[in-house]
Amino acid sequence: GAGVSQSPRYKVAKRGQDVALRCDPISGHVSLFWYQQALGQGPEFLTYFQNEAQLDKSGLPSDRFFAERPEGSVSTLKIQRTQQEDSAVYLCASSPGLAGVGEQYFGPGTRLTVT
Amino acid sequence: DQQVKQNSPSLSVQEGRISILNCDYTNSMFDYFLWYKKYPAEGPTFLISISSIKDKNEDGRFTVFLNKSAKHLSLHIVPSQPGDSAVYFCAASDRVEEYGNKLVFGAGTILRVKS
Repeated sequence: GAGVSQSPRYKVAKRGQDVALRCDPISGHVSLFWYQQALGQGPEFLTYFQNEAQLDKSGLPSDRFFAERPEGSVSTLKIQRTQQEDSAVYLCASSPGLAGVGEQYFGPGTRLTVT
Repeated sequence: DQQVKQNSPSLSVQEGRISILNCDYTNSMFDYFLWYKKYPAEGPTFLISISSIKDKNEDGRFTVFLNKSAKHLSLHIVPSQPGDSAVYFCAASDRVEEYGNKLVFGAGTILRVKS
């Protein structure tokens, strides 16, 4: 079956530009997570959705980061006024359960480079 | 403050031998641990997990050992195969929350299996 997909796979933005990153989770998965992975590091949690409700956004690094999942399926991570430190791979993961317990299924990520 | 640490950035093993990847954690609230495997340009894929009520979990060539008193876990791969060459991430979760059990990742260990 289809896994988690993300688009675009690669994005180059000039400093100050806004970007939008899309995640299509596995159909029927209730839980959706966004992670940020800097070069040479492991993924770090950004935010969590249970269906359309954003229940945890404690990992978002600044108010320039905004995420939504309006219909409880596709999610978009938006970064406003991008800065060089935003350069990273952004990973989306989904999980079938309410609690997100157990394995999370990751997409291939979007590599964002801010120049 | 790194709550999950993988102190070996890389490991090289001969095909057919055992690979041992190590992981330490500091948060005593963690009660569920996972290993993910990542190939270049792909998202992490779930490999194996263990709950804190166990000290060992085995799945084919992969075994995870948990030492709660030492806050240490390890992944054993026997026998190692060239296709196992990848980055391995250790991750942990505290399933205290009713939802959104975000994963805390280590920085990863690059495993290279030589044929």
